Formats: sequence, C-alpha cells, structure tokens
Amino acid sequence: DGGITQSPKYLFRKEGQNVTLSCEQNLNHDAMYWYRQDPGQGLRLIYYSQIVNDFQKGDIAEGYSVSREKKESFPLTVTSAQKNPTAFYLCASSPVGERINSPLHFGNGTRLTVT
Amino acid sequence: GENVEQHPSTLSVQEGDSAVIKCTYSDSASNYFPWYKQELGKRPQLIIDIRSNVGEKKDQRIAVTLNKTAKHFSLHITETQPEDSAVYFCAAVSGGSYIPTFGRGTSLIVHP
Repeated sequence: DGGITQSPKYLFRKEGQNVTLSCEQNLNHDAMYWYRQDPGQGLRLIYYSQIVNDFQKGDIAEGYSVSREKKESFPLTVTSAQKNPTAFYLCASSPVGERINSPLHFGNGTRLTVT
Repeated sequence: GENVEQHPSTLSVQEGDSAVIKCTYSDSASNYFPWYKQELGKRPQLIIDIRSNVGEKKDQRIAVTLNKTAKHFSLHITETQPEDSAVYFCAAVSGGSYIPTFGRGTSLIVHP
C-alpha cells in the first residue's frame, strides 16, 4: 500500500561507523519525523521537518543528523557520536497547514544493531 | 513543554474482559489526543482519536474519554480478543503545534 517506506528493515554496523536510514513517503505530507523506540521508553522524537530544506531538533537529537532536500525523503544519519545507537527507528509523516492536528502515519521501522 | 504520563505499563486480561488505559497531560493548551496500536514488530497505527471539543468517542469495541478539567484521557476496550494484544500509545498535541508528545506505552496481553 502507498505510504511510508523505510529501508532497510534490519541494519548491522560496527561501532564508530556512520549509518544512514532511508525514509520515503508518497502521501504528499509536508511534515516528517524520526522517532527512536527503546523498550519501556515509548517513542522519543529525534528530528522533525515541516518543509523542504528545514528541520528542527527533537528531544534526543545528539548524535544524529538529517536532511530534507525533497518533500518525499527524510533520511536519518546515525553518527559515531551517538553513544547508544542500537534501537528501533521509526519514520513518520503527517499533513500540516489546514489539516493541523492530524494523526501520524508511520513506516515499518528499521532495527539498527551496532556492535 | 508537554508531558504525557501513561498507566499501566502492562495490562493482562482474560478474553472477553474490558481493558482501560489512562493518560494524563500537563499542557492545558493540548487539544488533540490520538491513540496508536503497535503489534509486535509492526508499525504504530492510529486506532482512535479525540479532539478537545468532544468528551467521548466510540468506534465499535473501542472508546476514548477526555476530561479537560482534570487533564486526563482514557482508552476503553470492551470484549477484548487475543488480537487486541499489542502495545498501545497515547499522545497529546498542543494547540497551534503538530508535534505529538507520546506516553511510554501500555503492553496489553489478552489471554484466550
């Protein structure tokens, strides 16, 4: 079904390496988000973007970077500065503007393991 | 900023029983409250939402209630079934914003 595609589903990296997680949406949504999910921690916001070429830090942005060169794409780079990168990463999108306060649409997630 | 507390963290019920999950929020300007269900290994999906101009909303076996004065909202699932087993997240969105603040989640286990 159309929506948000995250790739890959599983990702393994060695400590000290940067890694980029892909997120693409075909919903024509303006806003996109990255969340990190750890057991018992809920969904914690890493970065979000309301418009192309603009993005804002969330609650746990340290050690991460993003770009928003196209409306459809919002890749997340986990850098070597992130102390505990092993987690489940979820990308989401939503419409804004007139449709403020609309629910998020999530991708299927990427499980990153760093050893 | 907004703070959302969710309880309980784990809820175990027998099939056919009702389940209630409660959330409180801190920002009185919050006006949108979605609930998401996340099955094991899958994406969170919206199951019901409520806006601050409404006190209750129902969709078949699921209902959400909102008490703006007390700043809490609850998810009610009646006649639970094993397929209701999942993690449920509440969220609150402050007026003028579009960024939800999530609770920590409730793991619901429905025993057949």
